[in-house]
Amino acid sequence: DTGVSQDPRHKITKRGQNVTFRCDPISEHNRLYWYRQTLGQGPEFLTYFQNEAQLEKSRLLSDRFSAERPKGSFSTLEIQRTEQGDSAMYLCASSWGLNQPQHFGDGTRLSIL
Amino acid sequence: GQNIDQPTEMTATEGAIVQINCTYQTSGFNGLFWYQQHAGEAPTFLSYNVLDGLEEKGRFSSFLSRSKGYSYLLLKELQMKDSASYLCAPGSGAGSYQLTFGKGTKLSVIP
Repeated sequence: DTGVSQDPRHKITKRGQNVTFRCDPISEHNRLYWYRQTLGQGPEFLTYFQNEAQLEKSRLLSDRFSAERPKGSFSTLEIQRTEQGDSAMYLCASSWGLNQPQHFGDGTRLSIL
Repeated sequence: GQNIDQPTEMTATEGAIVQINCTYQTSGFNGLFWYQQHAGEAPTFLSYNVLDGLEEKGRFSSFLSRSKGYSYLLLKELQMKDSASYLCAPGSGAGSYQLTFGKGTKLSVIP
């Protein structure tokens, strides 16, 4: 069990640029989640996959955000035309079944200049 | 909608016992998780309650009352390394099992 892996750990970019993050879940986990966390707040749910199907997306999530999990293994989260407010820690988590603990990766810290 | 309330900060002495309370209002409740998060690190799973009552796991215990929308995390024999934020996260939904996190309680353990 190598844990949930996220890449990159840090990303600094200029406003208006596109960014893409990658998440590799624990290998036997079929459920994958993306969260966003800002300072002093708990993680905020963004979207959820079961295998390759994206089953739920937060209503608060802008259309600039898109996520994929093409083969039901790793996932990518893309943010287009980044804005200052996108600066946050982006966390990925995975679990192997319903009602099972979600295990988090170390996150990607995004800073928008 | 979801509403989760937990104290913002707490301070306790090394070796003591501390109880962190969480009240929640959520639709489609389906269990409650507690996570620990050290500054700059990812949340790590501590406990899960789906039925009313107390779940004990070493120095950590968690209690749930579904009718009251209330949970607490009990930490015994506090150690300096327990200084962290503790996040209450009720789960909802049968399909996606979405977790909604509170803002967390920042616990400081002092000598």
